[in-house]
Amino acid sequence: AQSVTQPDIHITVSEGASLELRCNYSYGATPYLFWYVQSPGQGLQLLLKYFSGDTLVQGIKGFEAEFKRSQSSFNLRKPSVHWSDAAEYFCAVGARGNFNKFYFGSGTKLNVKP
Amino acid sequence: EAGVTQFPSHSVIEKGQTVTLRCDPISGHDNLYWYRRVMGKEIKFLLHFVKESKQDESGMPNNRFLAERTGGTYSTLKVQPAELEDSGVYFCASSQAGTVNTEAFFGQGTRLTVV
Repeated sequence: AQSVTQPDIHITVSEGASLELRCNYSYGATPYLFWYVQSPGQGLQLLLKYFSGDTLVQGIKGFEAEFKRSQSSFNLRKPSVHWSDAAEYFCAVGARGNFNKFYFGSGTKLNVKP
Repeated sequence: EAGVTQFPSHSVIEKGQTVTLRCDPISGHDNLYWYRRVMGKEIKFLLHFVKESKQDESGMPNNRFLAERTGGTYSTLKVQPAELEDSGVYFCASSQAGTVNTEAFFGQGTRLTVV
């Protein structure tokens, strides 16, 4: 069965520090992988996605993610966090044949210290 | 261009009452999805419309939930009668018909509280 694990419920980093949010998935085939962000009072916004090809994916707002098949991981990174990055981040797998049918992780809340 | 819009943003109802949530997708988007997040857990798929047809309703929890999309435009999700465990945030998303590069756009969600 498909599943997504985000092991960190809350993370706090200082502004300007680097960030890595972890995501592990379980899926029977090569997955479609996504990271979404939800800022307070907003809907989910797509940061980046991986379907195939280069395993290092660039997204919006300076984020990137790396697909590692051997580790079943798709970790999200940012070299320098800004206070506006404080939000909740969701990793998701898209179903084959209906890639916007997502299996989401439970989310990671990011706090940014000044 | 307007994004996905959901009404109301918040709803507090008593157990046993009926509530109807509405989603207005982006104009021209054939695909419409409903998701739900209960008590800080993962966001779970409820169902998928293609135009006015239910393509996949495998995530609907029980027959107290009824989703419609008359005319293939906006969609409603009715909960009747509501139970305490129905509390959560209900998200709607829409996307164009097409290939794997079609992005799903989410609304801001409706927070439903059943007391």
